[in-house]
Amino acid sequence: KNEVEQSPQNLTAQEGEFITINCSYSVGISALHWLQQHPGGGIVSLFMLSSGKKKHGRLIATINIQEKHSSLHITASHPRDSAVYICAVPTLGSYNTDKLIFGTGTRLQVFP
Amino acid sequence: DTAVSQTPKYLVTQMGNDKSIKCEQNLGHDTMYWYKQDSKKFLKIMFSYNNKELIINETVPNRFSPKSPDKAHLNLHINSLELGDSAVYFCASSRLGPQAGELFFGEGSRLTVL
Repeated sequence: KNEVEQSPQNLTAQEGEFITINCSYSVGISALHWLQQHPGGGIVSLFMLSSGKKKHGRLIATINIQEKHSSLHITASHPRDSAVYICAVPTLGSYNTDKLIFGTGTRLQVFP
Repeated sequence: DTAVSQTPKYLVTQMGNDKSIKCEQNLGHDTMYWYKQDSKKFLKIMFSYNNKELIINETVPNRFSPKSPDKAHLNLHINSLELGDSAVYFCASSRLGPQAGELFFGEGSRLTVL
């Protein structure tokens, strides 16, 4: 069992739909990262959060540290949101010796 | 003006050859990383450097040798390439470690070993 689990693995939506991607982790963490990988392959950091909620445009990320769970929401989805969304958590350790553990990703396709 | 740039973007080579991938960041970050993304798109840390010093070596075969001439550069040299080395290799950097710092990724280098 991976230390970072994402669901669903694949997601198909119609343009305009509200999207939710979930991430659960088993390790103790101080922060969680949401990344986006476009079909072209490049990876972009969307959020790094350690508590509560963060919003950037149509993207919202929430985290519940006690429940070890985070969600990424996309409001008014658009075909250009089609990508793989990856959750990642750093293992706890002394500063600057942490490593990120990645989820297996959620492939999102938004159709017009 | 690319923040993290890696070259080459594509690399096709024969088994047994030696190849290098270069990475440079112009963000002034202290920490740089190499990640490997396998055919199932799963990302895994290979190496982490902080200010030219090796911090993490995640049980990578000795055939892989990272080199950091200065904190803006982290190159990856691979000896005696094997079929299983075929993957996409991503360089990344962050100002702080992943507990506190956002990561910036290069575009990836797709290595195909024939």
